[in-house]
Parts: sequence; C-alpha cells; structure tokens
Amino acid sequence: KQEVTQIPAALSVPEGENLVLNCSFTDSAIYNLQWFRQDPGKGLTSLLLIQSSQREQTSGRLNASLDKSSGRSTLYIAASQPGDSATYLCVTSNTGKLIFGQGTTLQVKP
Amino acid sequence: DAGVTQSPTHLIKTRGQQVTLRCSPKSGHDTVSWYQQALGQGPQFIFQYYEEEERQRGNFPDRFSGHQFPNYSSELNVNALLLGDSALYLCASSLDPYNSPLHFGNGTRLTVT
Repeated sequence: KQEVTQIPAALSVPEGENLVLNCSFTDSAIYNLQWFRQDPGKGLTSLLLIQSSQREQTSGRLNASLDKSSGRSTLYIAASQPGDSATYLCVTSNTGKLIFGQGTTLQVKP
Repeated sequence: DAGVTQSPTHLIKTRGQQVTLRCSPKSGHDTVSWYQQALGQGPQFIFQYYEEEERQRGNFPDRFSGHQFPNYSSELNVNALLLGDSALYLCASSLDPYNSPLHFGNGTRLTVT
C-alpha cells in the first residue's frame, strides 16, 4: 500500500529565501509524481508533473526532482514571494489512482 | 476554455440524508475522479470514472456511489450521511485514466449537521 509523507508539515520563511519541500513514498511503482498547490478552501492547481522516467521538471522559479529508487521527491522554490503562501501537496499516481501526502503549509512573510 | 466546474459550491445536510454532487470536466477530458478532503488533511481518492464505468475505487463504503454520463460529466452520491462525511469534495478530470495531468475543480464544501 502506497504511503506518501511530506516534511515539514508547516514552514515559515522571510520573503526572498530559497526553500525545499520534501516528499517521500513507499512504493516506487509509480507512473508519475505531481506537485500541486492549494489555497485555503480552494481546489488544487497543478505545478509540476514528473513522469516516472524523468528526473526533474522546471517551471519558472519551481524545480521538482524525482528519485524513484530512494522513494523521494523535492520541490525547490527560488526567491520565495508572499504570493507563494499556500499548501503544497505531493501526489503519486499508479494506473489512475492518486495517493496524496498531507501537504506542507508554507507561509512567506513580507 | 472552461476548466473543471463543480456544483453546488456549498451544501448543508442533516445526518441520514442523501446528497448528490456534480462535476463537469475540462473540455476534451473523458476521465473524472473524485476526492474527499477533510479539514487539514490531504485529499483521499474515492473513485475514478472512464467510459461511464467505475474504473478504480479507494477505501470508501458503498454509501459512496457515482455515475458518469455520455458527455463525461459525473455525479457523486452519498447516502445515509454521517457527521464524518463533512468535507471538501473535489472533482478532477484528465485526458485519460492513466498518466495525464489532473485538473481540479474548486470543490463542494459539504457540512453534515
């Protein structure tokens, strides 16, 4: 049974800092891994999707890496901004069944 | 291009009642999945619909059922509501049931009193 764990559960940083969010999963048999952002009371916005054959994906200030053998993924956010404040969710996919982590709630202080 | 739309946005029901939530997928998407998100938790997979069939199911009781229509829209039905069913219910659509990125709606907030 796949389990997805995100560390830390919450993070508070000053504006401008670079930061790393961590995600670990127990079953390496995944099709892909996706990072989402969720604002309070809202749906999820896809940030990055890494296919199982890929090692990393980049979009603007965001970079996500995937190491299937060790069951780890990281989301790197460069030069953080107050608008980055949200909950970040790591999700593994296997034959269409998604398993979510509990999320990391990020607060970026001006 | 409309994204995933869900209705209603908020709903209040009494314990024991039944509820139906609705989802219209993003244009061009034929796969719909449903998730339950309790406060402070990550979403939990309920089930996935593709070609009008339930293709995958998470660990939810039979009180949770669904349907997909020929136009790919979907409904989630919950019978005999419990207080613990109070949550944000999210719908997601994708191009296929396997490997495509998911697009989520803003969810339906269900409160059971």
